[in-house]
Amino acid sequence: EPEVTQTPSHQVTQMGQEVILRCVPISNHLYFYWYRQILGQKVEFLVSFYNNEISEKSEIFDDQFSVERPDGSNFTLKIRSTKLEDSAMYFCASRPGWPRDNEQFFGPGTRLTVL
Amino acid sequence: AQKVTQAQTEISVVEKEDVTLDCVYETRDTTYYLFWYKQPPSGELVFLIRRNSFDEQNEISGRYSWNFQKSTSSFNFTITASQVVDSAVYFCALSEAETSGSRLTFGEGTQLTVNP
Repeated sequence: EPEVTQTPSHQVTQMGQEVILRCVPISNHLYFYWYRQILGQKVEFLVSFYNNEISEKSEIFDDQFSVERPDGSNFTLKIRSTKLEDSAMYFCASRPGWPRDNEQFFGPGTRLTVL
Repeated sequence: AQKVTQAQTEISVVEKEDVTLDCVYETRDTTYYLFWYKQPPSGELVFLIRRNSFDEQNEISGRYSWNFQKSTSSFNFTITASQVVDSAVYFCALSEAETSGSRLTFGEGTQLTVNP
């Protein structure tokens, strides 16, 4: 069964460094998402992406964050200058679109540790 | 704005007990979807169920059952005859079809511990 994949599974970086988290959504899905989960807390929406542009973003998704779909398969989340509070699990998700609306498939997550 | 409340932060039961996890939601949309996810210690999110707002029929899947009541805005999850492998954090989530682009809003989660 097709699945969403994410790389790396764990990323350790120094504060102030740029990181890129990578996701490969399920092929032929149309909608893509990033969510964040700080350790011990709930999962929070960051951004949604459709038709090569951001369709919605949360207040967490500030100028330090950006997303891109550089080719037909990858979907990336970039954090330009990481802060300690960016340490979290980052989940990518994809959705096929009508008629299977709202059925989001999650990747296994990337654990980001900022030192 | 959409909101999901899981009032039970932690629940501890003994194996074979039944346990119900509560979920209350708020939304202004008439079309919406409700979900339950399981997050085991390994960290991934495991999809359990999705219901749309027009389908209030309760559902049973093995030891799992879900009770959706629009009148009380609740979507509760019951595990019958719990097992140690059920130990995990369980999240309820809501997606509005009309106003929020289908992003998921999660509750705070309930940590379920099933003791042998």
